[in-house]
Amino acid sequence: AQSVSQHNHHVILSEAASLELGCNYSYGGTVNLFWYVQYPGQHLQLLLKYFSGDPLVKGIKGFEAEFIKSKFSFNLRKPSVQWSDTAEYFCAVNARSGNTPLVFGKGTRLSVIA
Amino acid sequence: DSGVTQTPKHLITATGQRVTLRCSPRSGDLSVYWYQQSLDQGLQFLIQYYNGEERAKGNILERFSAQQFPDLHSELNLSSLELGDSALYFCASSSRVETGELFFGEGSRLTVL
Repeated sequence: AQSVSQHNHHVILSEAASLELGCNYSYGGTVNLFWYVQYPGQHLQLLLKYFSGDPLVKGIKGFEAEFIKSKFSFNLRKPSVQWSDTAEYFCAVNARSGNTPLVFGKGTRLSVIA
Repeated sequence: DSGVTQTPKHLITATGQRVTLRCSPRSGDLSVYWYQQSLDQGLQFLIQYYNGEERAKGNILERFSAQQFPDLHSELNLSSLELGDSALYFCASSSRVETGELFFGEGSRLTVL
């Protein structure tokens, strides 16, 4: 079974600071990887996804993530955060083969202060 | 707006009671997933249906059950409620079962007193 670890529970950054949120997964096979974002009071929205190909994927709102297979990692990055990026960020994984539901990490709460 | 509709948005009930949460997936999506979000456990997968059939089961308690109807809407039934069942229950739908990309509803917040 897959599992996902997000190392940071709560991150506080000033506007314009760079962001990197860690995500490691545990699974021996090929996976699909996702980052979802949940803005305060809203539903989860897909930020970006990786299925195959270029391990550096770009998502919405200037976010990107890099899949490093050897490290079982899929860290989320943004060069310069804005106050509007304040939200909870969830990393998720599912096995490429078969029909397996997404397994989510516990989330990282990002607070961006002016 | 994700296109996934959940009702009710908020629900307050007492221990021992039974509630039903409803989900309408995005138009054309055949898969419906239910997740439970709590502060200590994060987002836990409960159950998945695909075109009316149960596809996968996660950490769903025996007191909980779900079904997907011919019109593809789904209901999650929670019975003999306990204080610990208080959580946000999300429904998600997907048209691409093989990739697992999910579209989430806004959730139903259940409070058990």
